[in-house]
Amino acid sequence: DAMVIQNPRYQVTQFGKPVTLSCSQTLNHNVMYWYQQKSSQAPKLLFHYYDKDFNNEADTPDNFQSRRPNTSFCFLDIRSPGLGDAAMYLCATSRGNQAGTSTDTQYFGPGTRLTVL
Amino acid sequence: AQSVTQLDSHVSVSEGTPVLLRCNYSSSYSPSLFWYVQHPNKGLQLLLKYTSAATLVKGINGFEAEFKKSETSFHLTKPSAHMSDAAEYFCVVSPSGGSYIPTFGRGTSLIVHP
Repeated sequence: DAMVIQNPRYQVTQFGKPVTLSCSQTLNHNVMYWYQQKSSQAPKLLFHYYDKDFNNEADTPDNFQSRRPNTSFCFLDIRSPGLGDAAMYLCATSRGNQAGTSTDTQYFGPGTRLTVL
Repeated sequence: AQSVTQLDSHVSVSEGTPVLLRCNYSSSYSPSLFWYVQHPNKGLQLLLKYTSAATLVKGINGFEAEFKKSETSFHLTKPSAHMSDAAEYFCVVSPSGGSYIPTFGRGTSLIVHP
């Protein structure tokens, strides 16, 4: 029944060592989002895809990249993780209404908790 | 432009008493409004949403919220708190008019005492 799947659930990496987080969905949704959530804070949008169109938030560091090779999968690459990148990373999807309204519900994965040593 | 203000960072209630989590919003367009719940180390789960239909919206687990345009509010309520309701709650506004980017409130931590 899992609709948005994130792997791994927990990731430990070393300072400066590249890491990739993955997200897959079984909903066939057009829009996929990556959020960073630090302790006791709201999720912060890093970027999103509408289909293959990539949209980067203005304040997302260059250290963060993303790939969406097909509808079902989306990856978050952190090229050189710093201590400040330790956080929960949430993937979400939404249908992406062609009429352009935003009544769509976002469906979230369980998150990947990243620890940087 | 749009924004969301969750008026309380923490709300503490006793089990069996009513819950009120407050949310005010601003939006240039007719918004869609959502409440999500997040339990520790879990993703966010939709509780309910308002999309310009009935102003009183019923959600899962006994929660409901009322959209009040004149007050630009979308407060979340539950008649009787349960221990399992202890979690973080996020109010989210999403504009109509072509944007897929919702705006999150800072969250309200609900604490339920036995």
